[in-house]
Amino acid sequence: ETGVTQTPRHLVMGMTNKKSLKCEQHLGHNAMYWYKQSAKKPLELMFVYSLEERVENNSVPSRFSPECPNSSHLFLHLHTLQPEDSALYLCASSQEFVRLSGNTIYFGEGSWLTVV
Amino acid sequence: TQLLEQSPQFLSIQEGENLTVYCNSSSVFSSLQWYRQEPGEGPVLLVTVVTGGEVKKLKRLTFQFGDARKDSSLHITAAQPGDTGLYLCAGGTDKLIFGTGTRLQVFP
Repeated sequence: ETGVTQTPRHLVMGMTNKKSLKCEQHLGHNAMYWYKQSAKKPLELMFVYSLEERVENNSVPSRFSPECPNSSHLFLHLHTLQPEDSALYLCASSQEFVRLSGNTIYFGEGSWLTVV
Repeated sequence: TQLLEQSPQFLSIQEGENLTVYCNSSSVFSSLQWYRQEPGEGPVLLVTVVTGGEVKKLKRLTFQFGDARKDSSLHITAAQPGDTGLYLCAGGTDKLIFGTGTRLQVFP
């Protein structure tokens, strides 16, 4: 139990489907993150929300659409994905979002996405 | 662009052996973190080092931050099968940058 829960843990979707990944944190944190982890690339930061406001969007294609309805929940809406989007998507949270490193980030267990 | 290169990329060893994993960059970081990610799980923070030359120990794991704060190492003494996983370093100044990872397999 990490305090950050992701659902579903595994998802297979076609390129024309629309699906969503859900993340919930039980730590009372103010910042939440989406990361993408592929087999041959370093962990990539996709989006950051601080107090429900998006503060970072790292050139992510528009077929990925984040939503943060409150400080405990974060969604990643997926539509018309490509096979190369298949990866492990990790949600994370931290007490605050600060631009200096050293901020402790708590990760969820991830959602394995396969696009067929 | 800040990059963190980890070496080796893969490491397979027998239980009881010692090993060292390296994390190198040409950039200076204000702090550096080490994470371990077990199969099917998300990364879990092991340690944060903030001062150049700092050494931290966590049971059989020893972490060192380079004097110039551009590199770090993780040394494991008498590795055990439970140490198996992906080891990630992460550092940065205005944001956290993750390294390329070292995948460790410890066989009984």
